[in-house]
Amino acid sequence: EVQLLESGGNLVQPGGSLRLSCAASGFTFSNYAMTWVRQAPGKGLEWVSYVGGSGSPTYYADSMKGRFTISRDNSKNTLYLQMNSLRAEDTAVYYCARVMIELGASGWGRAFDYWGQGTLVTVSS
Amino acid sequence: DIVMTQSPDSLAVSLGERATINCKSSQNVFHSSTNRNYLGWYQQKPGQPPKLLIYWASTRKSGVPDRFSGSGSGTDFTLTISSLQAEDVAVYFCHQYYSAPLTFGGGTKVEIK
Repeated sequence: EVQLLESGGNLVQPGGSLRLSCAASGFTFSNYAMTWVRQAPGKGLEWVSYVGGSGSPTYYADSMKGRFTISRDNSKNTLYLQMNSLRAEDTAVYYCARVMIELGASGWGRAFDYWGQGTLVTVSS
Repeated sequence: DIVMTQSPDSLAVSLGERATINCKSSQNVFHSSTNRNYLGWYQQKPGQPPKLLIYWASTRKSGVPDRFSGSGSGTDFTLTISSLQAEDVAVYFCHQYYSAPLTFGGGTKVEIK
């Protein structure tokens, strides 16, 4: 059974940093690209970042570039999101999700077939 | 950026009746070289993470009831629930993965009338 378990969410002051983790199990982690998606309270979904199975390539939403860093440790089956210079508007539940494998399709975009339960990040003074 | 616009924002449907949700992308999400639409649909129930229902615009994920179907191509897409069940009460999102930044529609809330 595929399982994704996020951790690391917390209350942090504006300008602060936080590292989120996502522990994966039930599948061969290194075979899959992974992604982070966030959802502000009562709002819709916003894609944050993507990382390939080997750790590259990486892609970011514009508002996160230069502040957030996605990475993974395939020996630990864990995905990370390092978040720096946090702002009030970064307050959200952060989900990690697995990116589907689909051979023969162009580009890196795929649907997200499994999601974790999410971890809440609150940026406030 | 590709903007995904869903309609309606909410709808109330009687049990057993059809629910139809529309999603329009600001740019084409059909990739001609692979003959695929880079479009997915997700269901999110209160307090839960999103769950993938449909990918490549019309392919149902394994285990998803066949009352859920996706259609459309290019810029206009539809998610149909053929016979609404009580457990289908949720918010539904469309998602384009054709180009970065990947984007989602604003969501459609489905309730029982």
